[in-house]
Amino acid sequence: KQEVTQIPAALSVPEGENLVLNCSFTDSAIYNLQWFRQDPGKGLTSLLLIQSSQREQTSGRLNASLDKSSGRSTLYIAASQPGDSATYLCAVTDGGSNYKLTFGKGTLLTVNP
Amino acid sequence: SAVISQKPSRDICQRGTSLTIQCQVDSQVTMMFWYRQQPGQSLTLIATANQGSEATYESGFVIDKFPISRPNLTFSTLTVSNMSPEDSSIYLCSGRVGDTEAFFGQGTRLTVV
Repeated sequence: KQEVTQIPAALSVPEGENLVLNCSFTDSAIYNLQWFRQDPGKGLTSLLLIQSSQREQTSGRLNASLDKSSGRSTLYIAASQPGDSATYLCAVTDGGSNYKLTFGKGTLLTVNP
Repeated sequence: SAVISQKPSRDICQRGTSLTIQCQVDSQVTMMFWYRQQPGQSLTLIATANQGSEATYESGFVIDKFPISRPNLTFSTLTVSNMSPEDSSIYLCSGRVGDTEAFFGQGTRLTVV
């Protein structure tokens, strides 16, 4: 059974810092990995999708990498801003899973002004 | 990506009653899913909503408690039946086409008193 782990569980940084969020998964037979952002009490906003054949994806100040063989992904946020404060969730789609997502527990990010 | 309209956004319900949550997608999707997010936890898949047939439920979830309908490729409902305080959660619907980006509705915040 796939298990997704996110480290750290919480992170507090001053505005302007670059930071890295980590995600690991136990079964490397995945279709893809997706990073989401969730604001308190709200739904999920998709940030980046990395297919299993890709190594990284970039969108603005965000860069996500994927090392499928080692079961790891990182989300790099450059020049963090208070508006980046949210919970960041990592989720994988297992091969043969009928495209269901398995989520990690998330990293709660606080960017202080 | 497509947009999912989910309603209601929140509700407070009496124990023993039922609540039906609706999701409308602005384009056709092959897959629709329902997730639950209990307080302080990550997302857990309840079921896959299958067009025109019975939903496929995950372990620990049953049709009598969470009946699901999906009459076409753009619409689905989840009913939370005979509610108890333990059902207080955020419920989210998701759509995707194959292994493309998964997207989510804004969630329904349910409180059972």
